[in-house]
This record gives sequence, structure tokens and C-alpha cells, in this order.
Amino acid sequence: AQSVTQLGSHVSVSEGALVLLRCNYSSSVPPYLFWYVQYPNQGLQLLLKYTTGATLVKGINGFEAEFKKSETSFHLTKPSAHMSDAAEYFCAVMYGYSSASKIIFGSGTRLSIRP
Amino acid sequence: DVKVTQSSRYLVKRTGEKVFLECVQDMDHENMFWYRQDPGLGLRLIYFSYDVKMKEKGDIPEGYSVSREKKERFSLILESASTNQTSMYLCASSAGYSSGNTIYFGEGSWLTVV
Repeated sequence: AQSVTQLGSHVSVSEGALVLLRCNYSSSVPPYLFWYVQYPNQGLQLLLKYTTGATLVKGINGFEAEFKKSETSFHLTKPSAHMSDAAEYFCAVMYGYSSASKIIFGSGTRLSIRP
Repeated sequence: DVKVTQSSRYLVKRTGEKVFLECVQDMDHENMFWYRQDPGLGLRLIYFSYDVKMKEKGDIPEGYSVSREKKERFSLILESASTNQTSMYLCASSAGYSSGNTIYFGEGSWLTVV
């Protein structure tokens, strides 16, 4: 069965430090890949997505992610964490190319920022 | 900007009550979804619809039904609410493949069943 694994349910970094949130998916078939962010008491907001083309994708708020097919990974990074980055982050994968294709979400990683 | 509006942010219902969660999107999207979010479990798909009056079961449809009579509106129905349905419910929509399959989410509805 297709799945998405986010390593670490909780990640804590210091303000100004590198942020690395890990995501691996279960198939070697090139999928659509997404990262979403959820701030407290809000819905999910798209950070970035990979569809085709360049494997390094830049998103909002200084985040970026790299699609590595050989490693079936799509890790999210930000060079310097800010207090406002504290939120929950979800990796998601879509297989197939029809409009009815389902998106599978990871279980989420809560990011905390230490002053 | 795409707007997905969920009619109720916070609800408290009694066990056995029939519960309606309403969702409206303003971007003429074909696809609409209902997810349930629980700590440590991420988002789980309850139902989705890719056209008016069309619906498909997601991963956890038991105890739920849906209705899509108009393109912009997708309702989630709990026929007889139970305490294990206490959760955050997220509605979402997408234009599908033509837009890169991006899903847009509402703010969520917190349901407590007592």
C-alpha cells in the first residue's frame, strides 16, 4: 500500500538554526509531492509542491524541498529558523494523474523553535 | 484567493444526535474532500467527491455520509454521533490535475461529542 512517512513527530530547533523535516514515500513511481503547514487552530496551507521539472522546489516563508527519486524522499529545509515557523508540517503525496487521484498525508511533524 | 468556508468552527453535540458539517468553496472546483485530523494520525480521508452527486469512500467512511447537491457545497453527515467521532474535521477542494492537484483547506471544524 502507498504510504508517506515523516520521521519525527516533534522537532525542536533554536532560532536561527537549520530546519530539516524528513519525508519519505513508498513508491518509486514519480508522484506529485506537497508540503503543507498548519498553524494552531487553523486549516492547512500549501508551502510548496513538486510536480515535474526541477527537483529543488522553493516555497513560501523561505522553505524549500528537494525531490530525490533514488531515495524516495522529499525533505523540507529552511536555512534559518524563525519563531513564526512554529507549527505542524505535513508531507503529502499524490499518485496518478487523474483529477480523482487521492492525496495521502503523512502523520505530521510538530516544529518548535527555542529562543 | 481560493476560499473554503466551513460553517461551524466549534460544535458540541450529544451522543446519538445527527450532525451536519457544511462546506462551501468559491473557486468552481470539481473535487471536494472531507478529512478527519487526530493527534499522531495525521489526516485521514473520509469521503471525496469529484462531481455533483458523485462521491467515493475514503479510508474511514464508517459512521459518515456525504451530500453534494451543488458544485460549491459538500456536506458531511454523522448519522448518529458517537464519542469516538470527537475530532477536527477539515474540508478541502481542488481543481484537480489541471491545477497541479493542489488541495485548498478550510479552517476546520472542532466537533466534541459528549
